[in-house]
Amino acid sequence: DQQVKQNSPSLSVQEGRISILNCDYTNSMFDYFLWYKKYPAEGPTFLISISSIKDKNEDGRFTVFLNKSAKHLSLHIVPSQPGDSAVYFCAAWGNTGKLIFGQGTTLQVKP
Amino acid sequence: EAGVAQSPRYKIIEKRQSVAFWCNPISGHATLYWYQQILGQGPKLLIQFQNNGVVDDSQLPKDRFSAERLKGVDSTLKIQPAKLEDSAVYLCASSARNGNTEAFFGQGTRLTVV
Repeated sequence: DQQVKQNSPSLSVQEGRISILNCDYTNSMFDYFLWYKKYPAEGPTFLISISSIKDKNEDGRFTVFLNKSAKHLSLHIVPSQPGDSAVYFCAAWGNTGKLIFGQGTTLQVKP
Repeated sequence: EAGVAQSPRYKIIEKRQSVAFWCNPISGHATLYWYQQILGQGPKLLIQFQNNGVVDDSQLPKDRFSAERLKGVDSTLKIQPAKLEDSAVYLCASSARNGNTEAFFGQGTRLTVV
């Protein structure tokens, strides 16, 4: 039962363009969402979060959008840089107090 | 502020052997998590502690995996006996509270069972 889904295993974009990573969830009780970035041989690092009372949160080049009615969130990276190449995980806090992760999307930013 | 520390970074063992991983969370963080990440998948929660009590261990294969968090600080995760399918990265994370907050991860331990 995959409650947090990232349906695109990979994404390739040109440097300077926008990267959009998507995430869908099934549990309407989720009320706090996070994005993590993971480089090879390292643990995931926290990137940005959003509470369900908001529909947008911005931090520098990173913006997360939340559409509660569609149970969908997205991470926008503008402009994309080669150093952004990594695996991005969407995660959500469940009502049982568990932090649940999606499968991840590998982003490649080409120079 | 020191991050989450894990050791060892890498471990190779034969099937049916035992192995233990250690985690030291960020100072003052009450909640500690062990995740298993198999290549190509997202992290899967194995066990979650609040101080030294278990909050959730529903996905921990208890016939072979065990974990403890003595004194509500450090934690160890043990596998005995290991199977080939246990090959994965084992990630430890901690957070200041349980729920609706950021969890911070260690670098992980890559386990290879041969």
